[in-house]
Amino acid sequence: DAGITQSPRHKVTETGTPVTLRCHQTENHRYMYWYRQDPGHGLRLIHYSYGVKDTDKGEVSDGYSVSRSKTEDFLLTLESATSSQTSVYFCAISREPPGRTDTQYFGPGTRLTVL
Amino acid sequence: GESVGLHLPTLSVQEGDNSIINCAYSNSASDYFIWYKQESGKGPQFIIDIRSNMDKRQGQRVTVLLNKTVKHLSLQIAATQPGDSAVYFCAELPASAGGTSYGKLTFGQGTILTVHP
Repeated sequence: DAGITQSPRHKVTETGTPVTLRCHQTENHRYMYWYRQDPGHGLRLIHYSYGVKDTDKGEVSDGYSVSRSKTEDFLLTLESATSSQTSVYFCAISREPPGRTDTQYFGPGTRLTVL
Repeated sequence: GESVGLHLPTLSVQEGDNSIINCAYSNSASDYFIWYKQESGKGPQFIIDIRSNMDKRQGQRVTVLLNKTVKHLSLQIAATQPGDSAVYFCAELPASAGGTSYGKLTFGQGTILTVHP
């Protein structure tokens, strides 16, 4: 998984509680991404980062926030979890944007269940 | 909006056969495509990529073909093995007006490949 770890790997939480997922990389890649994967929707981009403290929204960013205080860590926070956020979350990294010299490499995923 | 899709959701083959997985894309301005393999319980794994200025690219046992005329992408796997059983996704990088899309890939739904011994 290209030096990418995600924690926790599994989490069950209740509606309305805050949740933070962590992505950690040892590759020193500049770009990091958070996706969610759901049946019938494939992988959808939530947020991405193009450097420390530089982040932007993806396709499905509502209800999520991110932070990147260090190159190696990218945090995804659900301020108040809802059942619609039950999903598998994947972190990805790349040295450059795809289409240049590199592509995106994915972590093992976090399965989140919101009851 | 434009999207990337797949013709067939499932494909079953016998071990040793060649497999072909297809993908149709609708954004004629897309200039970069990637194939990923995802095994159960794991994250997507990069297989091969191709730029729009190419028609064909080969890797180890895999070949990607790009037909820009009909906006069609295919992944060919030679001598398919049981370990190739997985979901295969194509992904598209839409070209942005500013020339920088920060890798905001659009993924297809995926095709389930099952290889029977």
